[in-house]
Formats: sequence, C-alpha cells, structure tokens
Amino acid sequence: QVQLVQSGAEVKKPGASVKVSCKASGYTFNSYYIHWVRQAPGQGLEWMGIINPSGGSTSYAQKFQGRVTMTRDTSTSTVYMELSSLRSEDTAVYYCARKWGSGLFDYWGQGTLVTVSS
Amino acid sequence: DIQMTQSPSSLSASVGDRVTITCRASQSINSYLNWYQQKPGKAPKLLIYAASSLQRGVPSRFSGSGFGTDFTLTISSLQPEDFATYYCQQSFTTPYTFGQGTKLEIK
Repeated sequence: QVQLVQSGAEVKKPGASVKVSCKASGYTFNSYYIHWVRQAPGQGLEWMGIINPSGGSTSYAQKFQGRVTMTRDTSTSTVYMELSSLRSEDTAVYYCARKWGSGLFDYWGQGTLVTVSS
Repeated sequence: DIQMTQSPSSLSASVGDRVTITCRASQSINSYLNWYQQKPGKAPKLLIYAASSLQRGVPSRFSGSGFGTDFTLTISSLQPEDFATYYCQQSFTTPYTFGQGTKLEIK
C-alpha cells in the first residue's frame, strides 16, 4: 500500500534551518510528484511547493522562494524539504503529499511538527 | 493568487442531517476544485476531485457540484464519523490554494 512516512518533530531556534524527510513506499517513486503543505496551529492549509522525483525539478510558492529547498534521493525513495531562516510564524505541521491527477493530493504523510522558539 | 472562500466557517448539525458547504473562487477555475476532510491530529483526506468526482472508498453520501467560481460539498445524511473540518482546494494553477476550512460540529 502507498505510504509516506515523515521524520519526527523538530524544535529550532529563530534563524536556524530545518530539514524534513518523507520516505515513499508502495508505488513507483519516480512516477509521482510530491507536494509540501503546511498547517500552522489551529489554521488552514498552505501549499509550499512541489518536486518531481524523476528529474528533481521543483516549483515553489512565491512566499517561500529563497527560503525553501526541496530535494530527493532516488536510492532511498525519499524527498526532503529544507526551510531556512526560521521565524516563529514557521511553527506548523509540515506534510508531504503525493500528487495525483491535476494538482490533487491523494496520499499524505503523517505530518511533522516544527516548532520555532527561542 | 486565487483566493478560495468557504462558508460557513463553522456549522452545527445532527446525525442524519443534510449539510451543504460552499466554496467560492476569486476567479474561474473551471472544475479544478477538490474537497478534503481533516480530523484532529490527522492529515487531510481527499473526498471529491474535479468538483464532482468521488474519490475511491469515499461513501456515496458525499457529493460535490459546481463550475467556474461557485462550488458546493453536500453530505446527504451526516454520520458520527463525518464531524471534522472540510477544506476546498483549487488545482487550476499554482500556487494551489485552500479555503479557510469549515468546522462541522455535533449539535
């Protein structure tokens, strides 16, 4: 069965970086793009960007341009999302989700809580 | 960016009720509208895609309609497991954007 398993919770200080992993299984890794979506506590969902695991190409939301980097390791079927220059407003649960069809998210990781606090 | 506006923001209903949630896009998105259900502490779950197509495994009491800028999600007869937060999402163009959510609570 399709599974996306994310790395564990992180606590970071303002100005630091965080790198969250998302390990895919149960399907052909290169065949489906992966999105990253975040959700601040008690808030809605915010799309951050997408990566093509096949070639590594990426597209980021303008809001995160310059601060986010999405990469992949095809040997382990894992994608990564690194967010730099963290501030308190980046405290959120970060989800990876598989792209299906036109911009849909059909399978999601369990989420990774990133807390930014001094 | 395309703004997605849901109404209401919260809704109280009883088991067996029929409920409708509305989503409006700030510009036409044809039928590139999807609905997700999220329960506390869990990832969202895809319910409806392309405005009216039911995702595999989703009960038929869920239905969607609409085109252009105005869309609805209807639950024909609420079940206890349906109490959750619902989000619409446009997949017409990046950045993909979501509505602010509708929290469906038990009356």
